Amino acid sequence: DAKTTQPNSMESNEEEPVHLPCNHSTISGTDYIHWYRQLPSQGPEYVIHGLTSNVNNRMASLAIAEDRKSSTLILHRATLRDAAVYYCILRSAGTSGSRLTFGEGTQLTVNP
Amino acid sequence: NAGVTQTPKFQVLKTGQSMTLQCAQDMNHEYMSWYRQDPGMGLRLIHYSVGAGITDQGEVPNGYNVSRSTTEDFPLRLLSAAPSQTSVYFCASSYPAGGNSYEQYFGPGTRLTVT
Repeated sequence: DAKTTQPNSMESNEEEPVHLPCNHSTISGTDYIHWYRQLPSQGPEYVIHGLTSNVNNRMASLAIAEDRKSSTLILHRATLRDAAVYYCILRSAGTSGSRLTFGEGTQLTVNP
Repeated sequence: NAGVTQTPKFQVLKTGQSMTLQCAQDMNHEYMSWYRQDPGMGLRLIHYSVGAGITDQGEVPNGYNVSRSTTEDFPLRLLSAAPSQTSVYFCASSYPAGGNSYEQYFGPGTRLTVT
């Protein structure tokens, strides 16, 4: 499976935008980029995913580099509730949706 | 919908004991999975199922058994508990939605301590 690299931790201030980077230089053409987050003492929750084009939903935006070797999860206005571990995950199109490989993620701290 | 439910929330076992962690979902999802999460680490896949009657091994299957007799339930059995199995266990479900969505829904977890 292709590997992702994320910073161990990041800090942000409340109501400011947050850009969470992810490097995936060995990504293949059929790999989808998924983001999940895990709030303290909870199970992970889906945030967003994409293949080639940038994606927006009610939670966040996903910006994918033209060469697809990196991506950025954008939280437009961080709130205290966004403090969590954020995981960037690659999923091959041929892989069951029940088989995700989680790395250690980025611990996001949001300061009031 | 209750989503994905797990019982119990907490459990303490002695080495060598066996037990079953329960997982149920009411979303009619085809796919279900079990993960474990050790302190400060990401989740690791134990076993998964793509439908009733079909299961397969994940990254760390040793010491665990699963079965899938119904779409709704996916229990995880610890055969002979060991201290190395102390962890938080998460169950997840998903379905092969159109457009390759594959969004997984996770339960709240079971915290297991083996002494």
